[in-house]
Amino acid sequence: AQTVTQSQPEMSVQEAETVTLSCTYDTSESDYYLFWYKQPPSRQMILVIRQEAYKQQNATENRFSVNFQKAAKSFSLKISDSQLGDAAMYFCAYRRSMEYGNKLVFGAGTILRVKS
Amino acid sequence: NAGVTQTPKFRVLKTGQSMTLLCAQDMNHEYMYWYRQDPGMGLRLIHYSVGEGTTAKGEVPDGYNVSRLKKQNFLLGLESAAPSQTSVYFCASSVWGRGRGTDNQPQHFGDGTRLSIL
Repeated sequence: AQTVTQSQPEMSVQEAETVTLSCTYDTSESDYYLFWYKQPPSRQMILVIRQEAYKQQNATENRFSVNFQKAAKSFSLKISDSQLGDAAMYFCAYRRSMEYGNKLVFGAGTILRVKS
Repeated sequence: NAGVTQTPKFRVLKTGQSMTLLCAQDMNHEYMYWYRQDPGMGLRLIHYSVGEGTTAKGEVPDGYNVSRLKKQNFLLGLESAAPSQTSVYFCASSVWGRGRGTDNQPQHFGDGTRLSIL
């Protein structure tokens, strides 16, 4: 079974600085998708960024970018110019391509605190 | 755009009581899911559905039942609530993609239901 590991229960960053959240996963598949979701105190689950395993180019969305290392099975999230609104729980998630049900496997999450 | 709507948002039950959580989506998505979120464990899949009239077990299905009589609705039932089912429950939905480049669509989540069982 696939597993997703987020080894940092909590991280802190100063406003306007850069922070990187780690995620590793275990799979024997070659075709899959990876996602980062943000959960602010409001409890909403908000998609931050996604990466297709067949794409070598790292995904970027404004201040958010990923470092996808397929061989190492690593998928870290970099947040640049951190803002107070970035404070949230961040979940890394994995999904196998073309799987029945398109089920997501989540990591345990990383709480990000942003200091002003 | 309502997206995915969960009812209720909060509920307190006594051990042994039953209840049903309702999830409704207005995006015409084929797939729907129920997760529970517990501290330090992320979100874990309880049950899911790939279309109207279908259901399947996820990672932690014991103590729960589901039904999907209409495409837009996915119900999660607790027949005899136990304190171990105290959690935050999330419903999600997604489209069904036919191939590479179209099955990369993310799941869309409701705002969650906080359920406490005393």
